[in-house]
Amino acid sequence: ILNVEQSPQSLHVQEGDSTNFTCSFPSSNFYALHWYRWETAKSPEALFVMTLNGDEKKKGRISATLNTKEGYSYLYIKGSQPEDSATYLCAPISSNTGKLIFGQGTTLQVKP
Amino acid sequence: GAVVSQHPSWVICKSGTSVKIECRSLDFQATTMFWYRQFPKQSLMLMATSNEGSKATYEQGVEKDKFLINHASLTLSTLTVTSAHPEDSSFYICSARRRRLNTEAFFGQGTRLTVV
Repeated sequence: ILNVEQSPQSLHVQEGDSTNFTCSFPSSNFYALHWYRWETAKSPEALFVMTLNGDEKKKGRISATLNTKEGYSYLYIKGSQPEDSATYLCAPISSNTGKLIFGQGTTLQVKP
Repeated sequence: GAVVSQHPSWVICKSGTSVKIECRSLDFQATTMFWYRQFPKQSLMLMATSNEGSKATYEQGVEKDKFLINHASLTLSTLTVTSAHPEDSSFYICSARRRRLNTEAFFGQGTRLTVV
């Protein structure tokens, strides 16, 4: 069983605050890590797919880093906006199963 | 991005009946499809992984005879909840992926099943 832990479980911030979340996973048999954003009443959408140790990806105000040796990834949101309110899910993929197994997610609420 | 269509979006059925949920990739060939269930206030729990043309791989604790998964083509996978009971009421969602493991998965809209 792939243990994926995300922290914090929930987060409330003010508009304009920057924030970050953590995704921890077993480093053995690592193949790739996915980050998804799941807004209420919508389908989860992929933010990033990361594969290389030290990878850093950015999409607008959102960026992510990856450390495959120690088994963690950080997701950063700079200057949070109310539209960033969503649940952020990470899913590491192991090379021997190819399964997409999600962590519990971090639910972000950005207050105007 | 690619489109995955899931139907129905919600269904109410009587206890003891079977319900079929469809997941279609509309503009790409999905070699792998995943079926998830979401319990209240929890994240997505992987139920099974289906690869086109082969039997689905079920996660531990998921009854394969109760949750029948078929992936007959590269664009269609179905989940049939057989002899549904109220405890099967849940949110079910599928996702589809192209061949390579490092490509993103695309999700359907989800199905809210209520068994009465």
